[in-house]
Amino acid sequence: DIVMTQTPLSSPVTLGQPASISCRSSQSLLYDDGNTYLSWLHQRPGQPPRLLIYQISKRVSGVPDRFSGSGAGTHFSLKISRVEAEDVGIYYCMQATQYPYTFGQGTKLEIK
Amino acid sequence: QVQLQESGPGLIKPSETLSLTCDVSGYSISDGYYWGWIRQAPGKGLEWIGDIYHTGTTHYNPSLETRATISLDTSKNQFSLTLNSLTAADTAVYYCAKDLWAFDVWGQGTRVTVSS
Repeated sequence: DIVMTQTPLSSPVTLGQPASISCRSSQSLLYDDGNTYLSWLHQRPGQPPRLLIYQISKRVSGVPDRFSGSGAGTHFSLKISRVEAEDVGIYYCMQATQYPYTFGQGTKLEIK
Repeated sequence: QVQLQESGPGLIKPSETLSLTCDVSGYSISDGYYWGWIRQAPGKGLEWIGDIYHTGTTHYNPSLETRATISLDTSKNQFSLTLNSLTAADTAVYYCAKDLWAFDVWGQGTRVTVSS
């Protein structure tokens, strides 16, 4: 199985300041078709996860442009340019390049 | 707009078999996509259970060994998960989701507690 490792596991951030989450995979996530199936999800307490970004950097319609994804191979990151109150919650990276799909442990974003 | 809604028993006894259903609206599941199940134990992260393609091809998480089965019912536009030999470790919120190499549509989740 591909192991997904996120850092940090907790991130206290000041409103209006940037935040960054790293995700590393134990194997390259580049698939045979040339795509890399790495996505980022956000989950608020009591809610299902919501897809933010797929294939490393493609933002889902309706996701604010303060969210951006980058990376390649085994190293990926999610950046929030200016954190807003609604961004609190847990962020997960997920790989769908190889079965079984696997998730990172989650990073809890909270406001200082 | 695709929407998903899980349904299930809520409380179930150890060693019994869990059956969950995901009703899909806004799209015919026989037309395409993978349809998946994910679960989240209390206070824990997300665990992928498995998925099914619109043709009926399935994939499962080996961690569940052979306990899980996913099936389609195109006449009802729904897909289902059965999980047998339940233990307390199977207590979780179970989500169904539309899968296109990323889970872009999720159900609200159904809480399942395994307890005698």
